[in-house]
Amino acid sequence: AAGVIQSPRHLIKEKRETATLKCYPIPRHDTVYWYQQGPGQDPQFLISFYEKMQSDKGSIPDRFSAQQFSDYHSELNMSSLELGDSALYFCASSLWGGEQFFGPGTRLTVL
Amino acid sequence: KQEVTQIPAALSVPEGENLVLNCSFTDSAIYNLQWFRQDPGKGLTSLLLIQSSQREQTSGRLNASLDKSSGRSTLYIAASQPGDSATYLCAVRVGSSNTGKLIFGQGTTLQVKP
Repeated sequence: AAGVIQSPRHLIKEKRETATLKCYPIPRHDTVYWYQQGPGQDPQFLISFYEKMQSDKGSIPDRFSAQQFSDYHSELNMSSLELGDSALYFCASSLWGGEQFFGPGTRLTVL
Repeated sequence: KQEVTQIPAALSVPEGENLVLNCSFTDSAIYNLQWFRQDPGKGLTSLLLIQSSQREQTSGRLNASLDKSSGRSTLYIAASQPGDSATYLCAVRVGSSNTGKLIFGQGTTLQVKP
């Protein structure tokens, strides 16, 4: 069965650079979520989209923005990167009211 | 504010033992609860989903229970195997809409020794 696809899987950036993470949800899933997991931490919710509209917002810095496109894929844009942004970034997708399925994550390292 | 706690933080058992992982949450107004498995540096694999109206779910050697009124869930693993070694996370979905975010516990790291 198709799973959530994230790209790239690994990303290395310098401080103050910009990064774009991509997420391709499971076909026919209408909701996408972004989570951030710092080293040794539990995943923290960043933002979600339902039918291409932002639906909920968590602890997402103002330097970050995200959107969901007409084909339902989503992108997380991160600007002015800081050392503390180094983390695993997960995308998850679901049907309405359903189980959230997570992608393999993008490991971002900021040097 | 919803808080999720998992006890113990780490657990080491010999192969073949049955074990229970605990999860508690402070606000009983949840939509559902999911248990996940995470291998080091890897993604989250969904193990079981329990809707707020359900009491338990089973999948193979795994059984998850939910007592919403007391804010508790348990994950029972029968006949543990070395391949079960991983971190197990529980997460509650808050809100009544389809856009509810998950609030995670800090996980229980399980080691099953051969």
